[in-house]
This record gives sequence, C-alpha cells and structure tokens, in this order.
Amino acid sequence: GQNIDQPTEMTATEGAIVQINCTYQTSGFNGLFWYQQHAGEAPTFLSYNVLDGLEEKGRFSSFLSRSKGYSYLLLKELQMKDSASYLCAVRDREDNAGNMLTFGGGTRLMVKP
Amino acid sequence: EAGVAQSPRYKIIEKRQSVAFWCNPISGHATLYWYQQILGQGPKLLIQFQNNGVVDDSQLPKDRFSAERLKGVDSTLKIQPAKLEDSAVYLCASSLVPDRQETQYFGPGTRLLVL
Repeated sequence: GQNIDQPTEMTATEGAIVQINCTYQTSGFNGLFWYQQHAGEAPTFLSYNVLDGLEEKGRFSSFLSRSKGYSYLLLKELQMKDSASYLCAVRDREDNAGNMLTFGGGTRLMVKP
Repeated sequence: EAGVAQSPRYKIIEKRQSVAFWCNPISGHATLYWYQQILGQGPKLLIQFQNNGVVDDSQLPKDRFSAERLKGVDSTLKIQPAKLEDSAVYLCASSLVPDRQETQYFGPGTRLLVL
C-alpha cells in the first residue's frame, strides 16, 4: 500500500525558517510534489522533485532523497501569508500513463508575528 | 489563461438525495482528475480520465459514485444516493500531457454537506 507521512501541524515565527518533512513508502516512485493550500481554497503547485537533491525557487526549496523515502520543504523568510496547509504528494506510477498522485494528510503551518 | 472551473461552489443536501458536480478543465488539458478531500485530510483520487477514457477509478465507490467525461472536455461527478460520510470538498484537477512535470492544476472545489 501507499503511505505518506507528514506532521499534522507546525508553528513558526514571521521572518524565520521552517522545514516541513515528508516520508513515503510507495509501490513505485516517479516524482514528488509539494502543494500549498490556503483554507477554503484549491491546492496550488509549489515544487517538483524526481532526482535526489535540492530544488530552489525563491523563498521555497524542496529536497528529495529517494533511498531514504524522504523529502522536505524549506520555507525561508516566513511571511504571514505563508500560513496554509502544505501537501506532500507522490506519483507512484513508473509508466507516466497514470500521473496519479497519492497525497499525505497535509501539514498545517501557522505563522505568528 | 483561464483556470479549472467547477460548479456549484457549495451544495447542501439530505442523505439519500442525489447530487452532481461539474468541471471544465484548462483548455487543451487531456487529463482530468476528481479528488475527494475530507476536512483535515489530503485529497484522495477518485477517478482519472485521459481524454474521454477512464485511466483509473480504483478508489471510486462505484455503488454510489459515477463520473463521465463526454467529448473529452467537461466532466461530471455524481453521487446517488449520498451518505453522511460523503461530506467533503470535491476537487477537479487537470494536467497537460505531455508535460515534463505533468503538474496538476486544481479548481476551487465544490463543498458538499450531507445532512
């Protein structure tokens, strides 16, 4: 079966750095996605990793270790608007025909002044 | 570029009633997905279409849920009859194939409350 784990909630201070971890156990692996979801809104794409290493995009970075089944999302210079849920999702089909994503439960991040 | 459109945005029904949701994907996106997101959880894939064919519906409760994508563009998801545990947000997403990252773009969702 598929299993994706991430912390339920995190709290951080405005201007600080926070790391949200995600571990996965899936039958296959063909990429890991991070999405941001503000309360009552649709998820929006943040990052994609398919090879080991760090992908940087402005204040957000995402890291992947396939051998460890582990990823993290790093948010720097936190802003109040970063308060949201962060969803880790794994594409577990190897053949690209499916592109089906299995999502973790999401990490609700609260940024405090 | 217009995003994924969904309607209605909100729906309240009583258990055992029927309900239908509509989705219009981003123009040119061949792949369309329906997800169910229960409060406090991540989205769970219900069904995936490639054009007008079903790629995967293994997690769709077929005794009460049905979906179609006539002409390979718009899609409808139906629940008949609804149960209390169907209360959730129903998200539609689409992706462009082929695309290197095959990123899925989500619509605003339909919030369903079953009383």
